[in-house]
Amino acid sequence: DVKVTQSSRYLVKRTGEKVFLECVQDMDHENMFWYRQDPGLGLRLIYFSYDVKMKEKGDIPEGYSVSREKKERFSLILESASTNQTSMYLCASSPQGGKNEKLFFGSGTQLSVL
Amino acid sequence: AQKITQTQPGMFVQEKEAVTLDCTYDTSDPSYGLFWYKQPSSGEMIFLIYQGSYDQQNATEGRYSLNFQKARKSANLVISASQLGDSAMYFCAMREEGGNKLVFGAGTILRVKS
Repeated sequence: DVKVTQSSRYLVKRTGEKVFLECVQDMDHENMFWYRQDPGLGLRLIYFSYDVKMKEKGDIPEGYSVSREKKERFSLILESASTNQTSMYLCASSPQGGKNEKLFFGSGTQLSVL
Repeated sequence: AQKITQTQPGMFVQEKEAVTLDCTYDTSDPSYGLFWYKQPSSGEMIFLIYQGSYDQQNATEGRYSLNFQKARKSANLVISASQLGDSAMYFCAMREEGGNKLVFGAGTILRVKS
């Protein structure tokens, strides 16, 4: 069974802390994504990666960075967490195909920044 | 730029009745794919159904069907014979041909009443 695993289900951090959210997929997918989900706003893309060491900004990259050193792992980094980054973070992956390739999601990390 | 609009923040439906969740989209690309995902309270994102822009027939998957009206740029999800387990958040999403990312709408919360 295909799997996208996010390291934490719930995380509580303090303002100014550096935060790492980890995501691992076991499907050998080329593409990996980080979204954040907020009520009334749906899912918004933060960053995505289409290959190892390759990354592209999504719609809301400010305050975030990413790292993809290995194909199966995609990390989201909050350099200095702020309260407005309190949100649900969803990682996803997909093959390199065309428009019909669906995303496979992890179970999400609910991050609270106090 | 691609955009997805879901105008219904919340919907109620009686058990065993059918319900339609609205989705309109905007894109200048003639080739694109449309997706619906379900997110129960557990938080996981479950893929439901896919429709390609050049598909001649509306997509169906069990109790789910997609009412695709290309000229109106709408891709409504129809759930027949609603069940209590259908209570969840539903997201419409789109991916353009050659594009890696999936753009999501704000979502619709569906509550099935017994």
